[in-house]
Amino acid sequence: SAVISQKPSRDICQRGTSLTIQCQVDSQVTMMFWYRQQPGQSLTLIATANQGSEATYESGFVIDKFPISRPNLTFSTLTVSNMSPEDSSIYLCSVEDRSRTSGTYNEQFFGPGTRLTVL
Amino acid sequence: AQRVTQPEKLLSVFKGAPVELKCNYSYSGSPELFWYVQYSRQRLQLLLRHISRESIKGFTADLNKGETSFHLKKPFAQEEDSAMYYCALRGSNYKLTFGKGTLLTVNP
Repeated sequence: SAVISQKPSRDICQRGTSLTIQCQVDSQVTMMFWYRQQPGQSLTLIATANQGSEATYESGFVIDKFPISRPNLTFSTLTVSNMSPEDSSIYLCSVEDRSRTSGTYNEQFFGPGTRLTVL
Repeated sequence: AQRVTQPEKLLSVFKGAPVELKCNYSYSGSPELFWYVQYSRQRLQLLLRHISRESIKGFTADLNKGETSFHLKKPFAQEEDSAMYYCALRGSNYKLTFGKGTLLTVNP
């Protein structure tokens, strides 16, 4: 089962700047996802990060605002561009890998999250 | 479109009491349903999935296709069960859709 780390764990940024969040996995995984969790809200999928090709974005999210890189099977970055206070959220990286408890099924594992505050 | 509804934002019970966290879904095909849990200061983790029909930490959940529900139940709540619980659905595209979550507090 995958273990995921994210950097930074939290940041406070000024409006109009950009922040790049890194996601590192301790094993090679095919499917990697980026989620956003706004205050008091549920997790919303931003995009699926594909190795060797462009990310696939969900409705309401665009590449110009949330560019994603996936240079290899263990690493991805999400950039939050031209930030505004509405971007204040927790950003989570997730991967699909073999389940810890079941050899039959896969499972989605989540990173610890990056708490972003935009002033 | 796939949608998950958790009607209760907060649920408070006493230790030893039964607990039921409600989850209803909307999906046109055959979904996979999951319960995720987030304990204080820990990351989100999978609690159980409907397809394996298992009991984890005393919790069970049965998929009721007629009522489009996947309620999470435990007959005797423990204080360590206090956490945020999310119901999630995965359709044929492998993407997870989460409900808004229910914060369970088990009082001593």
